[in-house]
Amino acid sequence: ETGVTQTPRHLVMGMTNKKSLKCEQHLGHNAMYWYKQSAKKPLELMFVYNFKEQTENNSVPSRFSPECPNSSHLFLHLHTLQPEDSALYLCASSPSGDYYEQYFGPGTRLTVT
Amino acid sequence: RKEVEQDPGPFNVPEGATVAFNCTYSNSASQSFFWYRQDCRKEPKLLMSVYSSGNEDGRFTAQLNRASQYISLLIRDSKLSDSATYLCVVNRGNQGGKLIFGQGTELSVKP
Repeated sequence: ETGVTQTPRHLVMGMTNKKSLKCEQHLGHNAMYWYKQSAKKPLELMFVYNFKEQTENNSVPSRFSPECPNSSHLFLHLHTLQPEDSALYLCASSPSGDYYEQYFGPGTRLTVT
Repeated sequence: RKEVEQDPGPFNVPEGATVAFNCTYSNSASQSFFWYRQDCRKEPKLLMSVYSSGNEDGRFTAQLNRASQYISLLIRDSKLSDSATYLCVVNRGNQGGKLIFGQGTELSVKP
């Protein structure tokens, strides 16, 4: 399935590095989401964009910086991360931000060393 | 109290068994309910939405009890390929598409 794609699929970075995660959806949706999934924990919503506007920042540290240039693309810029930020980062999209099923990309498995 | 709580599992069942998962949610204003399936080290995939009247998709049946704030998923005639973690998902009341995920229930179907 190629509805929602994410790159890179795997990323190892040092605590002083800057990197970006990319998400693209080909479903014509207007809402996009970033989630974090740590081992043995439920998915945690990080950010929500609806029609390119950020509508949710779930108390995410400023070392994570989202960017949504259009309804099809979503980025997560990373800088000065901590080892506890190592996790699977999932992007999702939905037709809009109201009461719709969300479709996930394959995720980026991030390791911070 | 967690916003969405599921049976912790794991459930280990033989092929052909019927297995039921339960889920409770705390926000009575929630409007949308889903079951997702997540295979090991993969992304969650939508299994089915859950409607007030209950709905069925092949071997899978979902039920919603709004009064008790309870959702269930029944899998009949389990297949080896059903082995996965099943996530109960509820939207946060009047906050539209903000979904809250349960911690998941792991199912292992054995030959």
